[in-house]
Amino acid sequence: GQNIDQPTEMTATEGAIVQINCTYQTSGFNGLFWYQQHAGEAPTFLSYNVLDGLEEKGRFSSFLSRSKGYSYLLLKELQMKDSASYLCAAMDSNYQLIWGAGTKLIIKP
Amino acid sequence: GAVVSQHPSWVICKSGTSVKIECRSLDFQATTMFWYRQFPKQSLMLMATSNEGSKATYEQGVEKDKFLINHASLTLSTLTVTSAHPEDSSFYICSARVLGLAGTGVETQYFGPGTRLLVL
Repeated sequence: GQNIDQPTEMTATEGAIVQINCTYQTSGFNGLFWYQQHAGEAPTFLSYNVLDGLEEKGRFSSFLSRSKGYSYLLLKELQMKDSASYLCAAMDSNYQLIWGAGTKLIIKP
Repeated sequence: GAVVSQHPSWVICKSGTSVKIECRSLDFQATTMFWYRQFPKQSLMLMATSNEGSKATYEQGVEKDKFLINHASLTLSTLTVTSAHPEDSSFYICSARVLGLAGTGVETQYFGPGTRLLVL
């Protein structure tokens, strides 16, 4: 079956760095997406990886290892506004997104 | 980036009434849109895939007669919750399939702002 695993909740301190891990199992693979969702709002696109390696975009970076079925989202210089849920989603061979349950990130001052 | 709108953003209705939610792609044409439902503290649950000009494809366990989807044009898909009941209260979110993300040819989904439905 298809499955996405990510931690339910993480806590970090303002100004620090946090890494949110995601493992996936899908029927075929067409890329790994990370979305950010603030409470009560719809998800917004953060990043996309289809090749192995690290993609850096400002304070956020995303890494993919296809052989391990593993990705992580790295958030640097954490700000209070980064408090949100981070959703990992893998695109399968039918180009459907398979969603993880999301990781709630709590930032403390 | 691609902009997707949803209307209304909030609906409060009595049990037994029907509610229509609109999802529009504002600056692009979307041949495929998706409808999701999200209960508090839970992940997105795909309800159905809406294809312009054809019948929607529903996920297992989603009643097609209760959740009517119409994708009549390349910029509009509607979800009608018929005879809504309190257990239908949820956050309904649509998304549009977009190709060519940032010139990469990547396909992704852009989300509308969501519609919060409360059935009394």
